[in-house]
Amino acid sequence: DVKVTQSSRYLVKRTGEKVFLECVQDMDHENMFWYRQDPGLGLRLIYFSYDVKMKEKGDIPEGYSVSREKKERFSLILESASTNQTSMYLCASRRGAGYGYTFGSGTRLTVV
Amino acid sequence: AQSVTQPDIHITVSEGASLELRCNYSYGATPYLFWYVQSPGQGLQLLLKYFSGDTLVQGIKGFEAEFKRSQSSFNLRKPSVHWSDAAEYFCAVGSYTGGGNKLTFGTGTQLKVEL
Repeated sequence: DVKVTQSSRYLVKRTGEKVFLECVQDMDHENMFWYRQDPGLGLRLIYFSYDVKMKEKGDIPEGYSVSREKKERFSLILESASTNQTSMYLCASRRGAGYGYTFGSGTRLTVV
Repeated sequence: AQSVTQPDIHITVSEGASLELRCNYSYGATPYLFWYVQSPGQGLQLLLKYFSGDTLVQGIKGFEAEFKRSQSSFNLRKPSVHWSDAAEYFCAVGSYTGGGNKLTFGTGTQLKVEL
């Protein structure tokens, strides 16, 4: 079975901390994505990557950055965590255009 | 810009009853369309997808959806709901060109199943 693994299910961080959310896929997929999910807002795209070292901003990139040094790993970075970044973060990967996404189980981040 | 509307935030049905979840999309060209399901505390699982061809698509767990271009809709249906279908359902639209080939999701419909 194909897999997208997010390193943490739950995280609690303090305001101002630098936070790393890790995502690894074992399917040799080209495309990887980070979404945040909030009640009533659905899923909103933060950043995505077509290939190693390539990244593009999604709809809500402010306050976030990403890193993709290896094909299988896509990291989301909160440079200075704030309480409005408390959310569920979902990572996904996809073989390419025209294919469905495979999602990880999510990381629920609480910033206090 | 592409967008998706799921007009029903919550829906409650009785076990064994039929189900239809509504999805309307906005996109200038031919879209590709998805339905995902999310159980509590879990990631999203793909139910079905439409790219082209037959407008009635079959998915997993007995779900189907029909693409109606004239109505810009892609409604999800199931003839007989099971208690295990209680979850949140998301419709998504993507594009073949531009937009980074990304998916845009609706805000979701929470399904409750009464026994």
